[in-house]
This record gives sequence, C-alpha cells and structure tokens, in this order.
Amino acid sequence: GENVEQHPSTLSVQEGDSAVIKCTYSDSASNYFPWYKQELGKGPQLIIDIRSNVGEKKDQRIAVTLNKTAKHFSLHITETQPEDSAVYFCAASQPGGYQKVTFGTGTKLQVIP
Amino acid sequence: SAVISQKPSRDICQRGTSLTIQCQVDSQVTMMFWYRQQPGQSLTLIATANQGSEATYESGFVIDKFPISRPNLTFSTLTVSNMSPEDSSIYLCSVETWTGSDEQFFGPGTRLTVL
Repeated sequence: GENVEQHPSTLSVQEGDSAVIKCTYSDSASNYFPWYKQELGKGPQLIIDIRSNVGEKKDQRIAVTLNKTAKHFSLHITETQPEDSAVYFCAASQPGGYQKVTFGTGTKLQVIP
Repeated sequence: SAVISQKPSRDICQRGTSLTIQCQVDSQVTMMFWYRQQPGQSLTLIATANQGSEATYESGFVIDKFPISRPNLTFSTLTVSNMSPEDSSIYLCSVETWTGSDEQFFGPGTRLTVL
C-alpha cells in the first residue's frame, strides 16, 4: 500500500518568515495530493491540493509543488502569521472505486510573533 | 465544500460499554469515511460507508468492533463496541462531496476517552 513520509515533525519560524514542509510517497499510481491544516480541537481543513498533471499550484500565501519523478511534494507558506500555527498533514490518494487517502505523520508549525 | 456535524463532540465512557457517533452532512454525498486519530498522531481510515451497501473496512478494523450504518445520503453512524482504554481517540467522519472529486471534507471530530 501507499506510504507517506512527512518532514519535519515540528517547525518553528518567526512571523513573516517562510515555512516549508516536505512529503514523499511510495505509490507511483497516486495522483492527488491534498494538504490539511488541523487546529487544536478541530477537524482537518483542506487548504490546498494538487493533481499529478500539475507541477505547482498557488493560493495567496500558500503554494504546493509536486515532483512526480522523485515522488515528493512540498507545502510552502510565505509571510507566516501567528494564525498559521497548527498541525499540517500531507496526503496522497490513489485512483480506484473510491479515493483512499493516506496521510503523512503531520508537522506541528509554530509561528513566533 | 460541505458542512459536517458530529455528535457527541466528546464523551467519557466506561470500559466494556459502547458509544455511537453520529455524522450529519448538509448536502447529499455519495462517499462517507470514518477515521481514527490517536492523540498526537495522524489519521487512520477505519472504513468507507456507501449508502445502501455494507461498509468497507480497512485492515485492522472489523465490523463487530466498529459497526457502521449509512441509512441515507446525509447521515452515518459509527459505533465503538466493547470499549477499552486503547479506543481513546478522536473519531472523525469525512465526506467526498461528489463522486470523483477526490476532495474530502472533515467533521469536527468526537473526542472519546475510555476509562
């Protein structure tokens, strides 16, 4: 089955700096890569996603890049703000009768004011 | 997206009892999923629930322990049976808003503590 590795497990940045979270996946058939933000006491929130036919996608301060050859993808957050502090999960999804999503281990991001 | 609610939001239960968690969506969806998230950990898929058919369970999860109902396109329940302290987790439901969209949206979760 699919295996998704995520690094780092914790990340502290100064407000205004950039944050980068990296993930690798094992199944070359995976074709959909969402990123979720989970705040304390809440369910994960989909913040951005990318499909295998695209190399990069941007939405305001967040961007995701995908390297299919190397089987890795990354989340980039620029101009970080204290409200960006949360746990971020990457995931990979395989095509099939339903989209089974495999999650990474999570990155706890702390933005220091 | 979809608005998803779960009941209860949290509960403290005694060993050996069962708890049923409800998941309600504000629109009709084909696919509903149940996940478990142990403290400080990632999400693990328990099962997929389609309306009108038996739930599909992932390796390590069985129907006798986690029976699921899906009576219509907006509602599902997950029961955690014969609970032990190891079942203490956050249980999350999610939905795929339309078939083939890939995007999953999550409910707020149910925080379960088993004593």
